Amino acid sequence: EVQLVESGGGLVKPGGSLRLSCAASGFTFSTYSINWVRQAPGKGLEWVSSISTSSTYIYYADSVRGRFTISRDDAKNSLYLQMNSLRAEDTAIYYCARTPGTYWFFDLWGRGTLVTVSS
Amino acid sequence: EIVLTQSPATLSLSPGERATLSCRASQSLDSYLSWYQQRPGQAPRLLIYDASNRATGIPARFSGGGSGTDFTLTISSLEPEDFAIYYCQHRRSWPLTFGQGTKVEIK
Repeated sequence: EVQLVESGGGLVKPGGSLRLSCAASGFTFSTYSINWVRQAPGKGLEWVSSISTSSTYIYYADSVRGRFTISRDDAKNSLYLQMNSLRAEDTAIYYCARTPGTYWFFDLWGRGTLVTVSS
Repeated sequence: EIVLTQSPATLSLSPGERATLSCRASQSLDSYLSWYQQRPGQAPRLLIYDASNRATGIPARFSGGGSGTDFTLTISSLEPEDFAIYYCQHRRSWPLTFGQGTKVEIK
């Protein structure tokens, strides 16, 4: 089955760190760009970060640049998001989403993992 | 940053009716606009990419149009499963942004 499965979410205190993972299956992971998109409770969608094939291009939203790091391991068919210096406003469901090539729309989404930043 | 403005915020319609959703961009997108559907408690799903191309498995009742700064998503005849929130998203430049969403609700 073609799917993306996120993990690693949870409750963390402000200023803390968390590492999210996204496991891909059913398709050739290395040939796709992958993204993180988040959704705060009851709110709309917000793009967070993108990484192209071979990690050639990496992009971040201004709201997370310098605090979050995206990476991928094609041998493990996995995407990661290292999140440091977390803030209350980072509380959201984090989705990983696939992009064909560098066309930068999202043709496959995972179910998401919830990150809650609270003291 | 390109701002996408969706209208209306809420659309109240009955099953079988036609729905027309709008997405307006703050600058030209050429045709680099996509549409997504999000049902309650679910992840978003790609419907339309590059303004008018239906994604794999998307029913023909969904169609997209427009170019430049004005785009539309049309659902020709609403099915019960179509009542959801719809988002537009551009890929014209970085950062990628989404519209704020249009909720299609049962009248």
